Amino acid sequence: EVQLVESGGSLVQPGGSLRLSCAVSGFTFSDHYMDWVRQAPGKGLEWVGRSRNKGNSYTTEYAASVRGRFTISRDDSNDSLDLQMISVQTGDTAVYYCARVTATRAHYHMDVWGKGTTVTVSS
Amino acid sequence: DIQMTQSPSSLSASVGDRVTITCRASQDINDALAWFQQKPGKAPESLIYGASSLESGVPSRFSGSGSGAEFSLTISSLQPEDSATFYCQQYKSYPLTFGGGTKVEIK
Repeated sequence: EVQLVESGGSLVQPGGSLRLSCAVSGFTFSDHYMDWVRQAPGKGLEWVGRSRNKGNSYTTEYAASVRGRFTISRDDSNDSLDLQMISVQTGDTAVYYCARVTATRAHYHMDVWGKGTTVTVSS
Repeated sequence: DIQMTQSPSSLSASVGDRVTITCRASQDINDALAWFQQKPGKAPESLIYGASSLESGVPSRFSGSGSGAEFSLTISSLQPEDSATFYCQQYKSYPLTFGGGTKVEIK
């Protein structure tokens, strides 16, 4: 069974740092791109960033709202994806989801999601 | 950035009704469009990619159509378990962007 399990969410003060993790199982993690998506309370979905696979040099993409503050990394040997967050702001308060990206006929689409982990930025 | 606009923002329909949600992109995205369903308090689930291809395990009452900048998601016969918010998303170019969502309620 394909599973993605996020962890690391907590209450953090503005300006602080936090590291989220996504542990995966049930598929060959190293083959896939992976995304982070967040959802602020009562709001819609917002894409945060993407990690490409080894075949694409582990390159990353970020939303403008987090570029320079958030860093996505992955450990293929441990089937895990991380989101390092620094200089967090109240606007970063959200549920953070990791999602598997599958390539089908050149369509790179999110097809499996984790249950999410909650980050609250407040003093 | 490509803006995604969904309509309506909410709708109420009866079990068995045919329901259609529209998604418009601010520029041509070919068929690089996905649809997601999110039930209250739950993570999103993937329904459709490539504008019209169903993800594995998705009931056949869901279908997607469109290309270019105009897309639609249709539920052919609305079921009680379809009460949820639906989002479209373009993956033609970065940053990936979502529509604002359409909340579907059962009368």
